Amino acid sequence: QITLKESGPTLVKPTQTLTLTCTFSGFSLSTSGVGVGWIRQPPGKALEWLALIYWDDDKRYSPSLKSRLTITKDTSKNQVVLTMTNMDPVDTATYYCAHPQGSGQYFDYWGQGTLVTVSS
Amino acid sequence: QSALTQPASVSGSPGQSITISCTGTSSDVGSYNLVSWYQQHPGKAPKLMIYEVSKRPSGVSNRFSGSKSGNTASLTISGLQAEDEADYYCCSYAGSRGVVFGGGTKLTVL
Repeated sequence: QITLKESGPTLVKPTQTLTLTCTFSGFSLSTSGVGVGWIRQPPGKALEWLALIYWDDDKRYSPSLKSRLTITKDTSKNQVVLTMTNMDPVDTATYYCAHPQGSGQYFDYWGQGTLVTVSS
Repeated sequence: QSALTQPASVSGSPGQSITISCTGTSSDVGSYNLVSWYQQHPGKAPKLMIYEVSKRPSGVSNRFSGSKSGNTASLTISGLQAEDEADYYCCSYAGSRGVVFGGGTKLTVL
């Protein structure tokens, strides 16, 4: 049974760096083909893919946010960490981590999401 | 502005069928048979309903079906039920751009 859960601050100030952790179970990031992705959703708006990391440490980023994002994994802890620098109020959103299938083209399991508000 | 274009809203009566379109480009929807659809109820995480254009995950009702023609993918829901009322998002693999989502469609069951 695959589960994922996001954790991190609920409030960050503009210009600060956001660090979110995805803790998962039911699969291992040391297994060939496995990955974890991050997707966000501003209140009342659409989903936006952010980043993916694979078992072999291959990393993919949204081109529009690449300069601000870093994704890392801790296989021993079953965790994936996403950092986003220079936060702005437009980055206020629910951030989801999810388990990708295929080569990351779709996500079959999602965390519950965590709402991050950017405000001074 | 989302990479994939969906109608903002669609509606239908119980028992009817509705179709939600998702229009992309030759760089995403048109190039890959890797379109997926997600259902999202208010306050909940998205749920995978269709993957690889027309495949259904285990447990998803066969009232949900997907198709694609050129740069446009479609989700059809037949025999509409009250529980189908939700937001629906399409998603496509986009090569070097990674994964792109549509703007979402709000389905209202009248």
